[in-house]
Amino acid sequence: SYELTQPLSVSVALGQTARITCGGNNIGSKNVHWYQQKPGQAPVLVIYRDSNRPSGIPERFSGSNSGNTATLTISRAQAGDEADYYCQVWDSSTAEVFGTGTKVTVL
Amino acid sequence: EVQLVQSGAEVKKPGESLKISCKGSGYSFTSYWIGWVRQMPGKGLEWMGIIYPGDSDTRYSPSFQGQVTISADKSISTAYLQWSSLKASDTAMYYCARHEVYYYYMDVWGKGTTVTVSS
Repeated sequence: SYELTQPLSVSVALGQTARITCGGNNIGSKNVHWYQQKPGQAPVLVIYRDSNRPSGIPERFSGSNSGNTATLTISRAQAGDEADYYCQVWDSSTAEVFGTGTKVTVL
Repeated sequence: EVQLVQSGAEVKKPGESLKISCKGSGYSFTSYWIGWVRQMPGKGLEWMGIIYPGDSDTRYSPSFQGQVTISADKSISTAYLQWSSLKASDTAMYYCARHEVYYYYMDVWGKGTTVTVSS
């Protein structure tokens, strides 16, 4: 089965840049989507198809995908960006797969 | 406004059956996949399966195949997740989510249904 690996936690200073990685075998050949989940809330889509932002998502959120790693980048981090972030792909054998999740802390 | 409205919290005993629901509105219910995602307390997201209400095509994660049943009633724009015999380990938050048709990202989510299974 296909697996996606994320760091358990990422810390970022207020106003700086956070990068959250999502590792998977040849993930660059797949479409990667990212979700933000704040405590007590449902997840929200923040990036789809590697680097596209849904309407309403700030330009500070961006994504890239190549080789064995996809990356979600949060620029000019704000306190409101504190949340858990999950990557996700569709795999032909396993269907939907979520990453292990990363807790982002803004210092 | 596109939204998914889920049924309320449930408290059940082990061995009991349960069916929770997810009603879509504001879009063509039969033109998108609807899926279910489990989140156990303090844990990450787990994809359970999806259904295409237009033709009831259903796909399950290998981890949940045989453990739950996903169905839909397109006449009332509602998808369901059901268990025939609950276990304590089914205690979790369950989210429904609309899946985009070609790339399967989840662009609209319900607020979740808490299921507690305890004797």
